[in-house]
Amino acid sequence: SQTIHQWPATLVQPVGSPLSLECTVEGTSNPNLYWYRQAAGRGLQLLFYSVGIGQISSEVPQNLSASRPQDRQFILSSKKLLLSDSGFYLCAWRTGYGNTIYFGEGSWLTVV
Amino acid sequence: EDKVVQSPLSLVVHEGDTVTLNCSYEVTNFRSLLWYKQEKKAPTFLFMLTSSGIEKKSGRLSSILDKKELFSILNITATQTGDSAIYLCAVEADTDKLIFGTGTRLQVFP
Repeated sequence: SQTIHQWPATLVQPVGSPLSLECTVEGTSNPNLYWYRQAAGRGLQLLFYSVGIGQISSEVPQNLSASRPQDRQFILSSKKLLLSDSGFYLCAWRTGYGNTIYFGEGSWLTVV
Repeated sequence: EDKVVQSPLSLVVHEGDTVTLNCSYEVTNFRSLLWYKQEKKAPTFLFMLTSSGIEKKSGRLSSILDKKELFSILNITATQTGDSAIYLCAVEADTDKLIFGTGTRLQVFP
């Protein structure tokens, strides 16, 4: 069966520091991968999605970036965090367009 | 602009009550509507709806879609404290992404 792993689960970072959140999927190949952010009291906002290695689509202009160095690995990064980057970040995957999206356990980021 | 609106934003009920959660949408080239339950961390999948008027059911939860009026409802009968969660509605249109509503926070008290 397929599983998705996301880490770290929680982190507190100072303003201006870098960020790296990692997500891997097991038990499937060539998944579509997604990064969402959920701010307090708000719905899930799509940040990036990828349909293949090296293929990244960005939905919202921001100081975050994403990379997909391997088929089942998706990384969310920032060179310099802002206070507004605080939130709950969720990695997600599915086998293809039109199928159900499944979520990782999420990462709580607090920028101080 | 595509959008998904959920109501109410928050709901407080007692165990045994029946609740109805609403989701309306405006998207180009609708493909499907999904419901998720989010307790503490990852949202978990409940239903995917693609056709109007066909009820999907799982235990005490059921959902139906109206593509003419552009909305869906999620019903929970005989609520239990374990139903307390945020319920998220998402719509997929003609692009490879889900558009989420802000969710409905349901609290069920004994």
